[in-house]
Amino acid sequence: DTGVSQNPRHKITKRGQNVTFRCDPISEHNRLYWYRQTLGQGPEFLTYFQNEAQLEKSRLLSDRFSAERPKGSFSTLEIQRTEQGDSAMYLCASRGRLAYEQYFGPGTRLTVT
Amino acid sequence: AQSVTQPDIHITVSEGASLELRCNYSYGATPYLFWYVQSPGQGLQLLLKYFSGDTLVQGIKGFEAEFKRSQSSFNLRKPSVHWSDAAEYFCAVVETSGSRLTFGEGTQLTVNP
Repeated sequence: DTGVSQNPRHKITKRGQNVTFRCDPISEHNRLYWYRQTLGQGPEFLTYFQNEAQLEKSRLLSDRFSAERPKGSFSTLEIQRTEQGDSAMYLCASRGRLAYEQYFGPGTRLTVT
Repeated sequence: AQSVTQPDIHITVSEGASLELRCNYSYGATPYLFWYVQSPGQGLQLLLKYFSGDTLVQGIKGFEAEFKRSQSSFNLRKPSVHWSDAAEYFCAVVETSGSRLTFGEGTQLTVNP
């Protein structure tokens, strides 16, 4: 069990640019989650996949955000036309079939300048 | 909608002292409850979980938590704090019928030597 991995760990981008983050879940986990965390706050849910199907999206996920999990394994989160308000830690988590606990990756810290 | 409240934003304790971090949840039925710990710039590590059964649950690193239905609480405790316990602690809940985690705003723990 190698845990959840996320790449890159840090991303600095200029306002208006597009960015893409990758998450590799624990191998046998069929559920994958994305959360966003701003400084001094708890993580907030963005979206959730069961296998390759995106089953739930938060109101926080504006039209500029898109997530995919094409083969039910890794997932990508893309932010188009980044804004300074997108600066945050983006966390990925995965969960097994018969469990409720989620295991988190180390996160991707996004800074929009 | 479910919610989680962590009343203490910041707690300072001396090394070797006991610790209790408070968590209150709002949900109609019995939810699944979790405590996570986050070190600076890192992802979240699961400390312990409560699903059902014994209301006192043991976790990693010497932590325990007690579920009290009458008080809608799930407080985290440790009998003797170590300097390495300094971190931010998050309480979280998931509906039994749902999937997303809802987090509290976190409690920052400082440990004095």
